[in-house]
Amino acid sequence: AQSVTQPDIHITVSEGASLELRCNYSYGATPYLFWYVQSPGQGLQLLLKYFSGDTLVQGIKGFEAEFKRSQSSFNLRKPSVHWSDAAEYFCAGRMEYGNKLVFGAGTILRVKS
Amino acid sequence: NAGVMQNPRHLVRRRGQEARLRCSPMKGHSHVYWYRQLPEEGLKFMVYLQKENIIDESGMPKERFSAEFPKEGPSILRIQQVVRGDSAAYFCASSSGSGQSNSPLHFGNGTRLTVT
Repeated sequence: AQSVTQPDIHITVSEGASLELRCNYSYGATPYLFWYVQSPGQGLQLLLKYFSGDTLVQGIKGFEAEFKRSQSSFNLRKPSVHWSDAAEYFCAGRMEYGNKLVFGAGTILRVKS
Repeated sequence: NAGVMQNPRHLVRRRGQEARLRCSPMKGHSHVYWYRQLPEEGLKFMVYLQKENIIDESGMPKERFSAEFPKEGPSILRIQQVVRGDSAAYFCASSSGSGQSNSPLHFGNGTRLTVT
């Protein structure tokens, strides 16, 4: 079955520190992959997406993600976290020619000053 | 350039009442998706619609839930005879679609349903 897994439910980092949020996918073929961010009480905002080509994808707000086929992973990174990055982050996947976007359970990021 | 509009933002219903959630997709988008988010859980797919057609309803509960996307007007998610377990945030998303999986989904701010 198609699935997206985010192993970390909560992560706390210090402001200014680097960040990596993990995402693993299980699909028959390489899916289209996305990262979304959700602030409390808000909808989801698209950070970045991967379809094909360059495996390092740049997104908004200084985020990037790297697709690694050998590890079935699509981890989200940021070199220096700001307090405003505190939110919940969702990884999602969608099959080519598929309709359904499947979400991971989310990772809640806390930023301490 | 309005995004996906959902209303109401908050909805309180007593057990047994009906809940109607509305979603207006982004301008030019003809594909609508409904997701449900329970506390401390991710988003679960419910239904995917195009104008006047339900394409995939594999995530919809078999009873009490229905969705439509008429030719004119917003998409409606309808929950009849609500129970406490229906309390959740319901998100609508739209895409330009055309059957392309790489069309990103744009989400509304959700409707938070509370059943008392």
